[in-house]
Amino acid sequence: TQLLEQSPQFLSIQEGENLTVYCNSSSVFSSLQWYRQEPGEGPVLLVTVVTGGEVKKLKRLTFQFGDARKDSSLHITAAQPGDTGLYLCAGPNAGGTSYGKLTFGQGTILTVHP
Amino acid sequence: EAGVTQFPSHSVIEKGQTVTLRCDPISGHDNLYWYRRVMGKEIKFLLHFVKESKQDESGMPNNRFLAERTGGTYSTLKVQPAELEDSGVYFCASSQGVGFTAKLFFGSGTQLSVL
Repeated sequence: TQLLEQSPQFLSIQEGENLTVYCNSSSVFSSLQWYRQEPGEGPVLLVTVVTGGEVKKLKRLTFQFGDARKDSSLHITAAQPGDTGLYLCAGPNAGGTSYGKLTFGQGTILTVHP
Repeated sequence: EAGVTQFPSHSVIEKGQTVTLRCDPISGHDNLYWYRRVMGKEIKFLLHFVKESKQDESGMPNNRFLAERTGGTYSTLKVQPAELEDSGVYFCASSQGVGFTAKLFFGSGTQLSVL
């Protein structure tokens, strides 16, 4: 069974600070995705990383896929209150028939205080 | 473009009752997925439809859960009879493709509480 472990589970910071969220596994994933979920809504895809060592940037968010494709990180620079939410990593299940059968991490709840 | 729509947004039922959740995927999306998050745990895959066919139902907890997608459009997930451990948020997602670049669009979920 593939598992994705996220850390930290909770993160409470002040506006303007930087932060990093980690997503680790003992299994190799063909790709990893990062989602953001707000209260009362479903997860929204932020990015998919595919190649080992890949780095993708989305404004103040930087996503990295580990060289061995077993881990990923999300770094936010100068966090803003609008970044508050639940961040989830997910990867396609090795036993699945499609990339839509995902294994999710437990998530990181980020709170950015003004 | 309308997103994935789920009904109801909340449902509170008693143990032993039946509940039916509905999902309307994005128009044209052949792939429809059901996921569930129980409190304190990660979101878990339940099943995957391609059009009206069940492609993968390996995540369905037991035979009290029945998913259908007649006509390949909307889908329903029925729980009968509901048990306390069925409480959680049920998400539906849809996508056009299933390959590397497939992007899943999630609905807002149905919060199910079994008392």
